Amino acid sequence: NAGVTQTPKFQVLKTGQSMTLQCAQDMNHEYMSWYRQDPGMGLRLIHYSVGAGITDQGEVPNGYNVSRSTTEDFPLRLLSAAPSQTSVYFCASSYSTVFRGAFFGQGTRLTVV
Amino acid sequence: RKEVEQDPGPFNVPEGATVAFNCTYSNSASQSFFWYRQDCRKEPKLLMSVYSSGNEDGRFTAQLNRASQYISLLIRDSKLSDSATYLCVVNRDQAGTALIFGKGTTLSVSS
Repeated sequence: NAGVTQTPKFQVLKTGQSMTLQCAQDMNHEYMSWYRQDPGMGLRLIHYSVGAGITDQGEVPNGYNVSRSTTEDFPLRLLSAAPSQTSVYFCASSYSTVFRGAFFGQGTRLTVV
Repeated sequence: RKEVEQDPGPFNVPEGATVAFNCTYSNSASQSFFWYRQDCRKEPKLLMSVYSSGNEDGRFTAQLNRASQYISLLIRDSKLSDSATYLCVVNRDQAGTALIFGKGTTLSVSS
């Protein structure tokens, strides 16, 4: 059982480039979310989804797009990378976080130069 | 006020010590509370959920005080392997769509 799989694990982008961070889960979870983690800031919610076709913004959505065409996949798109988007990105999935928490992928370390 | 606040530490303790972490949250409607553990450069992993009556899992005890909006984690008989960052977490809304994290408390256990 793979759980939550994120690709790539590492990425270096030039300012202005676009890319997609992939996230897939095989637990049939309804809820999926993306977080970024910066030193001294903790994990902050970027976007989340409560099911296929349904997404919403979190705390820090600017510069990112998401879509949820299937239950399994929840890609995060950086439209035009900026140095401020240098961070570690985590994808999480759960049935619901009420009483259950969530499972996290191993993260993507992104550097924008 | 930050939604979830924790003392960042670091807490430096010897093996065998008892250590307590505290956390406060601002949303009185929060229903679910957790402690996650995060090792250096790794993903957060659920350590334990926190229930109103308090709960224990081996050397770990979690307490919740809804009136004070306060959560705690007690670690007894600390091991070297307990060295990590401990994240206080609450669910974002009543539907449980996502989580809100504290910044974490760093624990270093030494021999």
